[in-house]
Amino acid sequence: DQQVKQNSPSLSVQEGRISILNCDYTNSMFDYFLWYKKYPAEGPTFLISISSIKDKNEDGRFTVFLNKSAKHLSLHIVPSQPGDSAVYFCASRADYGQNFVFGPGTRLSVLP
Amino acid sequence: GAGVSQSPRYKVAKRGQDVALRCDPISGHVSLFWYQQALGQGPEFLTYFQNEAQLDKSGLPSDRFFAERPEGSVSTLKIQRTQQEDSAVYLCASSHSGGVQETQYFGPGTRLLVL
Repeated sequence: DQQVKQNSPSLSVQEGRISILNCDYTNSMFDYFLWYKKYPAEGPTFLISISSIKDKNEDGRFTVFLNKSAKHLSLHIVPSQPGDSAVYFCASRADYGQNFVFGPGTRLSVLP
Repeated sequence: GAGVSQSPRYKVAKRGQDVALRCDPISGHVSLFWYQQALGQGPEFLTYFQNEAQLDKSGLPSDRFFAERPEGSVSTLKIQRTQQEDSAVYLCASSHSGGVQETQYFGPGTRLLVL
């Protein structure tokens, strides 16, 4: 039973356009959400996070949106760059726990 | 150190062999986590330490898996009598104090292949 779902295994976007990566979760106790980016043969690298008390957090080209009622979050990258090509993992955490629960990832390809 | 380091980066083991995977967290980080990442999947939680205390080992898949952090810094994940289903990337992460909204910093992982 996957508590964090990323239903798109892959996404291709043209350079300069917007990339939108989606994530759904089932556990209503999750209250902290993160996006990690992973290049081949490297560990996941933290990208951006959002607390459940907010519905939006922005950091440069990256914006995360949270819709608690729909248990849905999304990561927007604009403008997309070829260096953004990587696997993106959505992760969630409940306030009673220490570990993150990860989604299966979405592979983003930004085409020049 | 600059980041979380793990060794070895790659390990090939024969089925039934014991393996030991090492993690050096970021200096001063209190919390340390181990995750297992199967091919095409996201990382899955194995166990968590705060200093030398193993506070959560609910994710360890069997009693063949054992983790320790005796001095509160370096950690070792040991897998006894390896099986083919143990083949995965094992990721270590650390965080400063394990607070609820703290970021975990990951190492590059150890890719284990059991033949």
